[in-house]
Amino acid sequence: EAGVVQSPRYKIIEKKQPVAFWCNPISGHNTLYWYLQNLGQGPELLIRYENEEAVDDSQLPKDRFSAERLKGVDSTLKIQPAELGDSAVYLCASGQGRTGELFFGEGSRLTVL
Amino acid sequence: DQQVKQNSPSLSVQEGRISILNCDYTNSMFDYFLWYKKYPAEGPTFLISISSIKDKNEDGRFTVFLNKSAKHLSLHIVPSQPGDSAVYFCAASRGSQGNLIFGKGTKLSVKP
Repeated sequence: EAGVVQSPRYKIIEKKQPVAFWCNPISGHNTLYWYLQNLGQGPELLIRYENEEAVDDSQLPKDRFSAERLKGVDSTLKIQPAELGDSAVYLCASGQGRTGELFFGEGSRLTVL
Repeated sequence: DQQVKQNSPSLSVQEGRISILNCDYTNSMFDYFLWYKKYPAEGPTFLISISSIKDKNEDGRFTVFLNKSAKHLSLHIVPSQPGDSAVYFCAASRGSQGNLIFGKGTKLSVKP
């Protein structure tokens, strides 16, 4: 069974440029999460989807961050414009909502210069 | 304010000995706890979980203990192996379907 797939793995951009990350969750998982992980910190939730619906986006900085999950499968996370402080690893995870166990992708490491 | 705290950034243990990783939480509404393991350049992977109705859960070499009165849980790895060297994250949620709140992680090094 394929795991959670994320792309790109690495992205380097200059500040004020836009960037987008893509996530393909495990087949059949209705819950999808985007987490932000700064160096030396644990993952912090940005947004949670149940199928197509964003059920918790309270931690998403909506002035520059946006996300969508079309057809309840793949998801994209966009930052526009990027700031220096956005340099981090962006993790996507999926789950079936029953056990609380999440399956994470390898992450997308963003460097903003 | 950190709701899940892992106060030891790192831990070094000799191969074959026991590794004990600790985690404290402040939110008494948390009732489901998990440990994740993370290797460099990989995403975290689920290791073991425990519900607040239990005080112990065991899976092979890994055992998680929960002390609700102290709001403390620990992960025991016995015996420790070099392949266990990784960053271990403690996470907590309200119910098994709640959002996970992670600690900052503890880097475990198991020396041969």
